[in-house]
Amino acid sequence: DTEVTQTPKHLVMGMTNKKSLKCEQHMGHRAMYWYKQKAKKPPELMFVYSYEKLSINESVPSRFSPECPNSSLLNLHLHALQPEDSALYLCASSRAADTQYFGPGTRLTVL
Amino acid sequence: KQEVTQIPAALSVPEGENLVLNCSFTDSAIYNLQWFRQDPGKGLTSLLLIQSSQREQTSGRLNASLDKSSGRSTLYIAASQPGDSATYLCAVVYGNKLVFGAGTILRVKS
Repeated sequence: DTEVTQTPKHLVMGMTNKKSLKCEQHMGHRAMYWYKQKAKKPPELMFVYSYEKLSINESVPSRFSPECPNSSLLNLHLHALQPEDSALYLCASSRAADTQYFGPGTRLTVL
Repeated sequence: KQEVTQIPAALSVPEGENLVLNCSFTDSAIYNLQWFRQDPGKGLTSLLLIQSSQREQTSGRLNASLDKSSGRSTLYIAASQPGDSATYLCAVVYGNKLVFGAGTILRVKS
């Protein structure tokens, strides 16, 4: 099983809402990633978790809050987002610096 | 700082043609290089991974080469099909991060 799942597929939220994105993998990978992708641009790294600990934060605004409750699950908590945060949010997982497997993404629209 | 460039930005070919997508990177201190495919509005599908010690990898009609010393990789697609139409992204593992190129948009006409 080389699948990374993400929920929800689509999310529309207002600027005062609090919502969460969820990512799950059962490949035994100990590295998990959040990326943000704007239209017609490549993915941009946001966060990296290694062995359930945050190892990289690419200077992401605090309105994005990652969480890794266990080795299979990665969440991204969203609060007080701006319209410019609208994007495709991708989750990925890997064994160390090996092949990264990506989920289908959550299409986020902030009104 | 690592920068990854992909040429061409877009490519349109008739079905059946063999084609080459190019990727270059500025710092040869990479751990590996990965080619992805992305369909519109979808996630990324990993096509091939080349370790820094390898020269090429093959999967079906796809062949990827890596020349670390010159900072180049190519993705060769044989006998292209309309189903190959997608954006192809090259990415290098640099330090502990994946650095992407801007992608090549491929359209294969039937």
